[in-house]
Parts: sequence; structure tokens; C-alpha cells
Amino acid sequence: GEDVEQSLFLSVREGDSSVINCTYTDSSSTYLYWYKQEPGAGLQLLTYIFSNMDMKQDQRLTVLLNKKDKHLSLRIADTQTGDSAIYFCAETATGGGNKLTFGTGTQLKVEL
Amino acid sequence: GAVVSQHPSWVICKSGTSVKIECRSLDFQATTMFWYRQFPKQSLMLMATSNEGSKATYEQGVEKDKFLINHASLTLSTLTVTSAHPEDSSFYICSARDPQGEQYFGPGTRLTVT
Repeated sequence: GEDVEQSLFLSVREGDSSVINCTYTDSSSTYLYWYKQEPGAGLQLLTYIFSNMDMKQDQRLTVLLNKKDKHLSLRIADTQTGDSAIYFCAETATGGGNKLTFGTGTQLKVEL
Repeated sequence: GAVVSQHPSWVICKSGTSVKIECRSLDFQATTMFWYRQFPKQSLMLMATSNEGSKATYEQGVEKDKFLINHASLTLSTLTVTSAHPEDSSFYICSARDPQGEQYFGPGTRLTVT
């Protein structure tokens, strides 16, 4: 089955850039997503990228996709304390019925 | 953006009782809703896909008789945890897919079984 992996924890200083990485195994992935989850809350869609793209920028967020290596990253510029949360990458695959497969989640801690 | 609500946001119940969780799409119709389970500090695991007017499709390993799903209208799906046990304690999150195919997540329901 599909497997989506992320590093568990990332700590950055306020104002620095954060880069959260994700690797996946399903070569038929069509869309890849980044979600943010704050404590005790549901998921907020931050951005997504179609598998035939290699980069997408949306304000402070930059998504890079290396389809050959099956590697996805999310860069947050000028990280703020409000960005502290758990970030999940997720993918949907062709023939998967739009089912999302989530990564293990990366806890981002922003320190002053 | 579209809004999905869940009710209740948290519930404590005694072992052996049943608990119903509601998931509503507030400003769009959702023919498909999804139910996820999340353990502390872990990822979301898809439990089942709920289709309006038909039976839910359960993921492997999820007991359909224990986790009853009903999707009676285009804006409401319910998950009933029957004969709950402490190991069913978890954070349950639903999502609803809009006609354009985008999924919106509810805020989650924290279930604690004592």
C-alpha cells in the first residue's frame, strides 16, 4: 500500500525559514497536499500541488515536488509563532477514489 | 471557504455504551464524507468512506458493526461507536467532499471511554 513518511519534529527560530519534508512511495500520486493541525483541532488545508508541477508558491509557502525521488517539501518563509502546529503531507492517487493517505506528521515548534 | 462541523466536540462515555458523532457540511452538499481516527501524536487513519444513500465502504481492519455509519442526507453523516471500550478512545475527524472534489475537514471529536 501507499506509504508517506515525514520527520517527526522541527524546531526553528521566529523569522527563520522552515522546511518540512515528506517522502511517498506511490508513483501514481496525482495530488499532494499540505495540511496544518493546531492542538485539539481539525485539519486546515494549506496548499496542494498537482503531480505534473514541480513548484508552487503561495505567499509565505513554497511547495517543491521532486517526482523522480518522490519527495515533497513545504517551505514556510519568515516563520511566526502562530505557525507552530503539526503539518501533514497527504496524497491522492489515480484510482484511489480521492482517498487521502496522510503522512506521519511533523511537529513544528517556533521559538522566540 | 466551505465549513464542516462536528458534534459533539468532545464526549466522555462509560464502557459498554454507544456514542453518536455527527458531521455536517454547512454550506455545500457532500455526496461523500470520510471518517478518520487519530491517536495522540499520530497520523490520521481513514476508517470509512460514507456515501449518501448507500452503504459505507470500510477500510481493512475496521469493524463495520462496531463503527456504524449513516449518510442519510447530502449534508449529514453520523458515526456511531457501539459498545464503546477504552481502546476506542481517540480523536475522530470527518471530512466532506464538495462537488468540485475538494475535501474540507471538521474540527474533530474527542471521545474518551471510561
